[in-house]
Amino acid sequence: ELKVEQNPLFLSMQEGKNYTIYCNYSTTSDRLYWYRQDPGKSLESLFVLLSNGAVKQEGRLMASLDTKARLSTLHITAAVHDLSATYFCAAYNNNDMRFGAGTRLTVKP
Amino acid sequence: NAGVTQTPKFQVLKTGQSMTLQCAQDMNHEYMSWYRQDPGMGLRLIHYSVGAGITDQGEVPNGYNVSRSTTEDFPLRLLSAAPSQTSVYFCASSYSAREAFFGQGTRLTVV
Repeated sequence: ELKVEQNPLFLSMQEGKNYTIYCNYSTTSDRLYWYRQDPGKSLESLFVLLSNGAVKQEGRLMASLDTKARLSTLHITAAVHDLSATYFCAAYNNNDMRFGAGTRLTVKP
Repeated sequence: NAGVTQTPKFQVLKTGQSMTLQCAQDMNHEYMSWYRQDPGMGLRLIHYSVGAGITDQGEVPNGYNVSRSTTEDFPLRLLSAAPSQTSVYFCASSYSAREAFFGQGTRLTVV
């Protein structure tokens, strides 16, 4: 059974600092997704990672995938307040998308 | 382009009542799915469909039914509501296994 674990679950950062969110999954996955959710809102797609070694960047966020280690990371560079949200990773296998519990990120001035 | 539309946005049910959550997409996506979101547990897949006439169970299907008579619509039926079904429900659609587009969610309370 595909299981996804994220850590940390809660993250409080100072503006301007860097940090990484980790996403481990238990079995083979065809692809790995990262989503953002603002309080009371729906989910917004950030990245889709399709193969081992894939790296994608958008602004201050960079996601990577290591399929051998079954690990994806979301790296935050020079955090700003607008990045405060909950971030989810999700692994996909055979029509089944499993989500991690989410990382609630708070960026403080 | 409306994307994924869910109705209603809020609903309160009494235990034992039934209801249908509506989901429609206008992107001609093959894949549609329903999730529930509970605090601290991320999203859990209830049912999904890979095309009209084809549905399958996800991680937490008990107490829910779905059907997919058209590409556009994927309603979720609660047969006999229970307090354990209090949650936020999201419908999503995608083309093949690409990024999913989510509806705005339905906040359901069962009393």
